[in-house]
Amino acid sequence: DAGITQSPRHKVTETGTPVTLRCHQTENHRYMYWYRQDPGHGLRLIHYSYGVKDTDKGEVSDGYSVSRSKTEDFLLTLESATSSQTSVYFCAIRERAGLDSGANVLTFGAGSRLTVL
Amino acid sequence: RKEVEQDPGPFNVPEGATVAFNCTYSNSASQSFFWYRQDCRKEPKLLMSVYSSGNEDGRFTAQLNRASQYISLLIRDSKLSDSATYLCVVLTGGGNKLTFGTGTQLKVEL
Repeated sequence: DAGITQSPRHKVTETGTPVTLRCHQTENHRYMYWYRQDPGHGLRLIHYSYGVKDTDKGEVSDGYSVSRSKTEDFLLTLESATSSQTSVYFCAIRERAGLDSGANVLTFGAGSRLTVL
Repeated sequence: RKEVEQDPGPFNVPEGATVAFNCTYSNSASQSFFWYRQDCRKEPKLLMSVYSSGNEDGRFTAQLNRASQYISLLIRDSKLSDSATYLCVVLTGGGNKLTFGTGTQLKVEL
């Protein structure tokens, strides 16, 4: 268990309002990610972080910002939510596949379901 | 052309059947490959990594064909609990370029 908690798990908001999703991890992982999942698109990377205050954009970063002020928390903010940002948002951490594996894999949180009306 | 393509299914199979999924990828420089499983309204979970020599984990076998640029997942003796969506994931370049397929839905029936 990678100890990833996402909050809120469900949120309904109105167009134009700001929204912040929180991802909290308890195992001191360096890399953290935010993805969105939509029908027909698979999981798409929004932003990722490779350390405190170190973040970078993914393929669908427009309209989103992130912050990582401490190792355990990675926040995703929608400054002014739009209906196109209705989606399921997954946070993930990167860790080794196993003790004898050199492969890095992603472990996901339970997801945050956001509806923008 | 999408970077990673999967047949969306659904694949409807009877319990006990053998079923196989393929996933094609477009970037020949892709380095690592994975299969994830996702249950309805849940997060994706790692099923298995895919090694060049192929690998097996119980009823599940994963294969990589670099020449034809596809990976496969074979499930033997399907169980009702295998019903889920199976995501193909490809790593290209540095550790942050992970591309997910849209998934193949499997329904195992009595």
